[in-house]
Amino acid sequence: AQSVAQPEDQVNVAEGNPLTVKCTYSVSGNPYLFWYVQYPNRGLQFLLKYITGDNLVKGSYGFEAEFNKSQTSFHLKKPSALVSDSALYFCAVPTSGTYKYIFGTGTRLKVLA
Amino acid sequence: DVKVTQSSRYLVKRTGEKVFLECVQDMDHENMFWYRQDPGLGLRLIYFSYDVKMKEKGDIPEGYSVSREKKERFSLILESASTNQTSMYLCASSFLRTWAYEQYFGPGTRLTVT
Repeated sequence: AQSVAQPEDQVNVAEGNPLTVKCTYSVSGNPYLFWYVQYPNRGLQFLLKYITGDNLVKGSYGFEAEFNKSQTSFHLKKPSALVSDSALYFCAVPTSGTYKYIFGTGTRLKVLA
Repeated sequence: DVKVTQSSRYLVKRTGEKVFLECVQDMDHENMFWYRQDPGLGLRLIYFSYDVKMKEKGDIPEGYSVSREKKERFSLILESASTNQTSMYLCASSFLRTWAYEQYFGPGTRLTVT
């Protein structure tokens, strides 16, 4: 069965430092992988996705993610964190054969000034 | 820009009441979804619809029903609200019948059942 895991409930990082939010997946076949962000009292916003091609995917707000097939990971990264990046981040994977998506449990990112 | 709107941001209802949550999207998306979001559990799919009058159960459909009479509108109905349905409800839509496209979310409705 398809699944996605976010092993960290919370990540703290100092402003200006690089950040990484981790996601691992278990899918059959070639994976499609997504990252979403949720700012306080808002719905989720799409950040980036991996469909095929280059393992390094660039997205909105300076975020990027690296697809690693051997480690079944799709970690979200940013070279220099901003306080405004503080939010809840979700990794998601669609389930093959349906239109349903599985979301991770979310990782709360806190960027400290 | 895609816009997904939900009828209420905050809602307080009493146990046993019938509750309607409305969602409207303006991008002619075929797929529409209802999720509930609870701390530590992430997003869980309640129902989704891939066309008018078509619906499929998600992972937690018990206690809910849905209606999609028009392409742009997807309603979630709590037939008899219970306190364990207190949650954040998120509506989403997406383009085409394929999982390669991202979902667009509404702002959410925080429902409290007392």
